[in-house]
Amino acid sequence: NAGVMQNPRHLVRRRGQEARLRCSPMKGHSHVYWYRQLPEEGLKFMVYLQKENIIDESGMPKERFSAEFPKEGPSILRIQQVVRGDSAAYFCASSPPNGYEQYFGPGTRLTVT
Amino acid sequence: DQQVKQNSPSLSVQEGRISILNCDYTNSMFDYFLWYKKYPAEGPTFLISISSIKDKNEDGRFTVFLNKSAKHLSLHIVPSQPGDSAVYFCAASANEKLTFGTGTRLTIIP
Repeated sequence: NAGVMQNPRHLVRRRGQEARLRCSPMKGHSHVYWYRQLPEEGLKFMVYLQKENIIDESGMPKERFSAEFPKEGPSILRIQQVVRGDSAAYFCASSPPNGYEQYFGPGTRLTVT
Repeated sequence: DQQVKQNSPSLSVQEGRISILNCDYTNSMFDYFLWYKKYPAEGPTFLISISSIKDKNEDGRFTVFLNKSAKHLSLHIVPSQPGDSAVYFCAASANEKLTFGTGTRLTIIP
């Protein structure tokens, strides 16, 4: 049973470009979460999605950030017009329905130059 | 507003001894607590969890204790092994959203 998959593992973007981060949950998991870890900080919740629905996006910046989890395919975290402050590690986690434990992917390290 | 706090940024323990990592929280709405282990450049790995209706959960060398009245939880690792050296995060869940502490770097000394 494969774990949570994230790609790319490393992403370099220039200021103003778009970044797309992908996450495939574990088999049988229908809940996906995105977290961000800034340097020297803990992980911060961004968004919680189920298939085709955003359940809680209270941690998402109001502008430039969006997330989706379509009926088919991976969940996507999209950052438009990236700025240096977006440089961070972005982690995706998944959990089964009615499960409390969240299982994390290896993360995508975004560097904005 | 740091709702989950790990006040010890680092901890060194002799191999074979007990490692105790502490975590405090402020939000009474948290109903589930988890501990994760993290190596550099990897995602957090789930270790052990506890529901707010319990005060202890044990899994092999790992035991988590919850003191609801003090809003405090701790992770005990015994005996500590070199492979336990990593950063440990406690996390608290409310409405399926995890709030993480800032982590404690555990170093096991051979």
